[in-house]
Amino acid sequence: GAVVSQHPSRVICKSGTSVKIECRSLDFQATTMFWYRQFPKQSLMLMATSNEGSKATYEQGVEKDKFLINHASLTLSTLTVTSAHPEDSSFYICSARDWTGEVGNTEAFFGQGTRLTVV
Amino acid sequence: KNQVEQSPQSLIILEGKNCTLQCNYTVSPFSNLRWYKQDTGRGPVSLTIMTFSENTKSNGRYTATLDADTKQSSLHITASQLSDSASYICVVTSIYGQNFVFGPGTRLSVLP
Repeated sequence: GAVVSQHPSRVICKSGTSVKIECRSLDFQATTMFWYRQFPKQSLMLMATSNEGSKATYEQGVEKDKFLINHASLTLSTLTVTSAHPEDSSFYICSARDWTGEVGNTEAFFGQGTRLTVV
Repeated sequence: KNQVEQSPQSLIILEGKNCTLQCNYTVSPFSNLRWYKQDTGRGPVSLTIMTFSENTKSNGRYTATLDADTKQSSLHITASQLSDSASYICVVTSIYGQNFVFGPGTRLSVLP
């Protein structure tokens, strides 16, 4: 089946630095990828929708200047957390959809997630 | 407002026992409903996907049901194993959009 690879799985960074997280669709082309954030014991919260070749669409309350998204190719989207602070520590997960051709019926695959800890 | 609710919030069962998790949704118009398993510290993995016309689907020891009239779904796990310990997330998609509406998940713990 289709696989979405997310890297790194864990990262610890100092406050004020930037961290880049990569999300790759390994055997299908994903014109759209999604970035989620998950706090402990909570469900996934959509942060932004990443569109290949165009600007990402951010959910309300998500700072676009802080969470930079780049979707330069059909198989790669990156999320950069800029000037990270301890409150940005969280579990970040990407998702890519493999379009089946039926309205709404895309198969969705999730990356392994990235545990970000800002110290 | 499109919402997905799940119950129970958490569940503890003994290895070998069966259990059933519930999902209620208000997403409309409905396109499909998915169940995902999420191990701690990992991304969700798809178990089943059901469309409007399907009312039951199995994947090994996992059987999902869907009642589109009452907007309810269940996930039944048979002969539970220790490796079934995880969060189980119900996700509903509207026919008009790509966005998934996530339920809060049920945390299942299987004890030896």
